[in-house]
Amino acid sequence: EADIYQTPRYLVIGTGKKITLECSQTMGHDKMYWYQQDPGMELHLIHYSYGVNSTEKGDLSSESTVSRIRTEHFPLTLESARPSHTSQYLCASSEFGLDQPQHFGDGTRLSIL
Amino acid sequence: GENVEQHPSTLSVQEGDSAVIKCTYSDSASNYFPWYKQELGKGPQLIIDIRSNVGEKKDQRIAVTLNKTAKHFSLHITETQPEDSAVYFCGSKTSYDKVIFGPGTSLSVIP
Repeated sequence: EADIYQTPRYLVIGTGKKITLECSQTMGHDKMYWYQQDPGMELHLIHYSYGVNSTEKGDLSSESTVSRIRTEHFPLTLESARPSHTSQYLCASSEFGLDQPQHFGDGTRLSIL
Repeated sequence: GENVEQHPSTLSVQEGDSAVIKCTYSDSASNYFPWYKQELGKGPQLIIDIRSNVGEKKDQRIAVTLNKTAKHFSLHITETQPEDSAVYFCGSKTSYDKVIFGPGTSLSVIP
């Protein structure tokens, strides 16, 4: 059983607020990822990290930012939330290696009013 | 860029029948192909994976086949049960060490 946790699970908040979505893993994985999942189910990579102090932008442009100060923690921040940010956000982690699977958290469902 | 196609987008089967989901990838250097199952309200969970040096892998009622020449791979679920109902994603790990996911297949198993 993968040990990766996301909080909050659900968040409804007004436009203009600053939001931080938390993601923590206890497996010691160096690689971590953030995906945005739209209502059509597709997974879009928005950020990833190879380890502490490493952050990269993913394939889908996002107004969010991430940080990786500790191996186990990979928070995602929206400085000023807008209705277009409404979506499900999934965090994942994996070990280094060509055939290492990603382990996903259960996601944060974000609604911006 | 690299992409992964997945078909069908929705699939309904009677309980006890088999279900097959097919994926096609574009990067010939891809070497790792995971399959994930996502239940309502949860994150995707790995159910089976296959490396490029293997043509087939089986785990109880689930099997995956890989055809590297044609660049496609398939998930086979036999003796389907209602608890198999979920969204399934295939993935292809590219030469840039990122997993490209297919768009997903919503499987419904009708009791």
